Amino acid sequence: KAGVTQTPRYLIKTRGQQVTLSCSPISGHRSVSWYQQTPGQGLQFLFEYFSETQRNKGNFPGRFSGRQFSNSRSEMNVSTLELGDSALYLCASMLPDWGGKNEQFFGPGTRLTVL
Amino acid sequence: KQEVTQIPAALSVPEGENLVLNCSFTDSAIYNLQWFRQDPGKGLTSLLLIQSSQREQTSGRLNASLDKSSGRSTLYIAASQPGDSATYLCAVPTSGTYKYIFGTGTRLKVLA
Repeated sequence: KAGVTQTPRYLIKTRGQQVTLSCSPISGHRSVSWYQQTPGQGLQFLFEYFSETQRNKGNFPGRFSGRQFSNSRSEMNVSTLELGDSALYLCASMLPDWGGKNEQFFGPGTRLTVL
Repeated sequence: KQEVTQIPAALSVPEGENLVLNCSFTDSAIYNLQWFRQDPGKGLTSLLLIQSSQREQTSGRLNASLDKSSGRSTLYIAASQPGDSATYLCAVPTSGTYKYIFGTGTRLKVLA
């Protein structure tokens, strides 16, 4: 079974631009979460989508947004990029299980550099 | 507000040693806890998931325990190998949600 895939793997942008990152979850997984990882702040939760609806949201400004499509693929968008947005963006997919067996599986990440 | 702490922040040991990594969390109303490893510049690899009803889980040389009442989990690595060198992270959900909070990790180096 294929794992979580993320595209692109590397991205270089300049301040003020916008960027869109893509994540394809494991087949059958309907929950997709996004995280930002930086050396200073560690791994921080951005948002989680399930069945095309945002269920949970972290403490990030409105410049960070996302969506999920009917095939569970997800995209996140960052507008008006700032230098501080340089980070590794990770996507995780999960098969929600109300009994607590829901295990997150991560993709390889997209390394975003803002110049 | 859920907060997760991992101790130690870094660890360097000779090959063959048995190790204990610690994870503490402030809100014990969790339904599971997950341990991951991360190699430099890479994504996270799931190691073990412990449900709140379980006390421990084992996978090969890894054993993770969970004590919800004290807000602690430990990851035990037996007979460490250079290939175990990585950063180990624990993650717990905030109460009643699928929003996961990660610890800052333990950076492990196993010397040959």
